[in-house]
Amino acid sequence: GAGVSQSPSNKVTEKGKDVELRCDPISGHTALYWYRQSLGQGLEFLIYFQGNSAPDKSGLPSDRFSAERTGGSVSTLTIQRTQQEDSAVYLCASSSTALAGETQYFGPGTRLLVL
Amino acid sequence: AQSVSQHNHHVILSEAASLELGCNYSYGGTVNLFWYVQYPGQHLQLLLKYFSGDPLVKGIKGFEAEFIKSKFSFNLRKPSVQWSDTAEYFCAVNAYSSASKIIFGSGTRLSIRP
Repeated sequence: GAGVSQSPSNKVTEKGKDVELRCDPISGHTALYWYRQSLGQGLEFLIYFQGNSAPDKSGLPSDRFSAERTGGSVSTLTIQRTQQEDSAVYLCASSSTALAGETQYFGPGTRLLVL
Repeated sequence: AQSVSQHNHHVILSEAASLELGCNYSYGGTVNLFWYVQYPGQHLQLLLKYFSGDPLVKGIKGFEAEFIKSKFSFNLRKPSVQWSDTAEYFCAVNAYSSASKIIFGSGTRLSIRP
């Protein structure tokens, strides 16, 4: 594929429901990142995967958030028991390696609204 | 822990004005620095980055940034802005010790009056 893709592009859910957000990185990229962009805020780092190493989960805001990356490619970010404060744009990015200084390529994001 | 401060939340300029957006980071070790840009309705994309060497970095669309290590700064500049530069600009830092993990600032919204 040409770039990073994310689905769905928009998601509206009710408070308390679980949601899954999907990210398809650029083919061959070994590193994958998730960020959250809230209104008026910057990009908040959530989690990143590098190859087969254990992911860096240091940015996950609570244990309701989890992510996995299957087969070193597609990643799914899951938010359990969603809260209204989870409403944000969730961005995924990938880079060819996990070396310092690598450029990250971003997807279009998933806009999540929790009612 | 690394952090990035962008002091200007919203900047409004007229076309042909000069631009400087401030960025300061906090981290004592070796860093890579980035400016990313998000044009209306588009993906976030790289504008320029400092990796090593010349502290004056030139990017796309006439933008440049200067890494001043003593001031922990990486300000973005453009001598003459255009209406098409209207976008949100994010400064980001990557510490060598953190592999490719990037910490972003809160962003600066730039509005250009035609």
